Amino acid sequence: NAGVTQTPKFRVLKTGQSMTLLCAQDMNHEYMYWYRQDPGMGLRLIHYSVGEGTTAKGEVPDGYNVSRLKKQNFLLGLESAAPSQTSVYFCASSYSGPGRRFKDTEAFFGQGTRLTVV
Amino acid sequence: GESVGLHLPTLSVQEGDNSIINCAYSNSASDYFIWYKQESGKGPQFIIDIRSNMDKRQGQRVTVLLNKTVKHLSLQIAATQPGDSAVYFCAENKKEYGNKLVFGAGTILRVKS
Repeated sequence: NAGVTQTPKFRVLKTGQSMTLLCAQDMNHEYMYWYRQDPGMGLRLIHYSVGEGTTAKGEVPDGYNVSRLKKQNFLLGLESAAPSQTSVYFCASSYSGPGRRFKDTEAFFGQGTRLTVV
Repeated sequence: GESVGLHLPTLSVQEGDNSIINCAYSNSASDYFIWYKQESGKGPQFIIDIRSNMDKRQGQRVTVLLNKTVKHLSLQIAATQPGDSAVYFCAENKKEYGNKLVFGAGTILRVKS
């Protein structure tokens, strides 16, 4: 059982380039999330999805787009990378949100993607 | 625009002592909270959770306390070990993001041997 898998693990981009980060989960989770974590700081929610075909903005959505064409995959896109987007990106998934069974909100995280924009 | 974040506070404890990590949450409507541990170079991992209808929940060597009056959450680690060294995040279910988990800034725990 792989859990949550992110690709790539590392990437260096030049300013203005585009790229897509892929997140895949094999736990049949409905909810998926993208966070960014800057050095010495906490996790900030970029976008999230409550199911296949749905996406929503989080705390810091500007400069990013997402798609959830398949339940198991959640893609994060940077159309025109900027140095301010240098960060470690974490994907997470959970079975459901609160309101259902207690533990179903627990989010499982991938190992992260370290992105540097020069 | 993007907000300016704060650097993480650090808690240093002696091996064998108890650790208390604190977290203030912002939304009185939040009804579910989780503590996560993040070791260097890894993604966050679940430690313990608590619902807003509880004040206390215990796990193995860890206890979470919730004070809804002052919107405060704490994680207590008993007999802290070197393997407990990590960054600890609290996360709350924020209704304004459609009942999604939003993380606090985190606290670095350093265990001295």
